[in-house]
Amino acid sequence: GESVGLHLPTLSVQEGDNSIINCAYSNSASDYFIWYKQESGKGPQFIIDIRSNMDKRQGQRVTVLLNKTVKHLSLQIAATQPGDSAVYFCAEIFGNEKLTFGTGTRLTIIP
Amino acid sequence: NAGVTQTPKFQVLKTGQSMTLQCAQDMNHEYMSWYRQDPGMGLRLIHYSVGAGITDQGEVPNGYNVSRSTTEDFPLRLLSAAPSQTSVYFCASSYFDVGTEAFFGQGTRLTVV
Repeated sequence: GESVGLHLPTLSVQEGDNSIINCAYSNSASDYFIWYKQESGKGPQFIIDIRSNMDKRQGQRVTVLLNKTVKHLSLQIAATQPGDSAVYFCAEIFGNEKLTFGTGTRLTIIP
Repeated sequence: NAGVTQTPKFQVLKTGQSMTLQCAQDMNHEYMSWYRQDPGMGLRLIHYSVGAGITDQGEVPNGYNVSRSTTEDFPLRLLSAAPSQTSVYFCASSYFDVGTEAFFGQGTRLTVV
């Protein structure tokens, strides 16, 4: 079946460094991808999205890269801060408007 | 601005009991959906709605019913609770497609004993 997954379940980054969270997807027909951030005890929060006709999109301190050749998505967070500690999910939408989430990566910031 | 409000926040049920998880949004969003989140499995779509009077099944619909009589409300009903339904449930709403820039509620932690 189709799947959206993450390469690493946990990631520890020094405060101030850049973080890169990776995600693999298997459905080449997916046309929309989203990154969500989920802090402990809260619901997921939209961070940034990208459509399949783009390969890069930038937001405030975040950049999403899409490599359709290898079906890979990444989220880059610049100058990581303690408030960035959370679980990050990638998600994809293909055809029927249903969102499929990956399992998540826990990002821990080291002071 | 309340956003998406879910009630209750916590609930314990006995096997076989039924209950309704409430979800309300005040952003006039057409699209609403319910997810469950289990450890190590991310979020999985249970049911969704593209507008009042219209609902459809997601990835894991068995054991759950939904209705959408108004734009604002999208309750999720557990017909006969089972331990396998122990999970954290999230309601979400969005302007456009299901999931695009979705706003999520705080979640309902349900335990079925």
